[in-house]
Amino acid sequence: RKEVEQDPGPFNVPEGATVAFNCTYSNSASQSFFWYRQDCRKEPKLLMSVYSSGNEDGRFTAQLNRASQYISLLIRDSKLSDSATYLCVSSTGGGNKLTFGTGTQLKVEL
Amino acid sequence: GAVVSQHPSWVICKSGTSVKIECRSLDFQATTMFWYRQFPKQSLMLMATSNEGSKATYEQGVEKDKFLINHASLTLSTLTVTSAHPEDSSFYICSAPGLGVFYNEQFFGPGTRLTVL
Repeated sequence: RKEVEQDPGPFNVPEGATVAFNCTYSNSASQSFFWYRQDCRKEPKLLMSVYSSGNEDGRFTAQLNRASQYISLLIRDSKLSDSATYLCVSSTGGGNKLTFGTGTQLKVEL
Repeated sequence: GAVVSQHPSWVICKSGTSVKIECRSLDFQATTMFWYRQFPKQSLMLMATSNEGSKATYEQGVEKDKFLINHASLTLSTLTVTSAHPEDSSFYICSAPGLGVFYNEQFFGPGTRLTVL
């Protein structure tokens, strides 16, 4: 079983739609969680950190459920530019190595 | 934020040659850097942790004699793929953890795409 699991997709959604991605992790020692965005043939870029209290950044909302070891990302009002692969990532602490999920591919269409 | 550079951006080489990839933290010091590899349609897999002044720590299944890591200074780590073969063709990415307010963040280099013929 992979340490961080995601549905690879692809998710094809129309522009303006709301889409949610889920992720589960198996390492109970994981302390920090992130969503990264990766465009084709590029390095991953941090989208947002994920906190137990939930956090929002514009159209993006992330949630963490430690009891269920489950992380989510919600994207509202999807834009064409949101098309990318979204990587769920865990870490056992600041400065430590990251464990990446396989990524969920999103395609936003006209 | 902080900036991490990688050089070269891409390289094509013949089977059997060795390729060196450099990872630099441009505006901060990094005692630790991480090297990842990503095959097409797969996620990033950690290969090794590069430690300044000491030996690198390799993940299970990664051959340390094939992937030589040197962390010569607080701003430079190098990965050398020795006797490269076509199955080593991949996207190699390094990262460095941030400092201070960026402690919980990792900064990635732009990656190096290696193609071995």
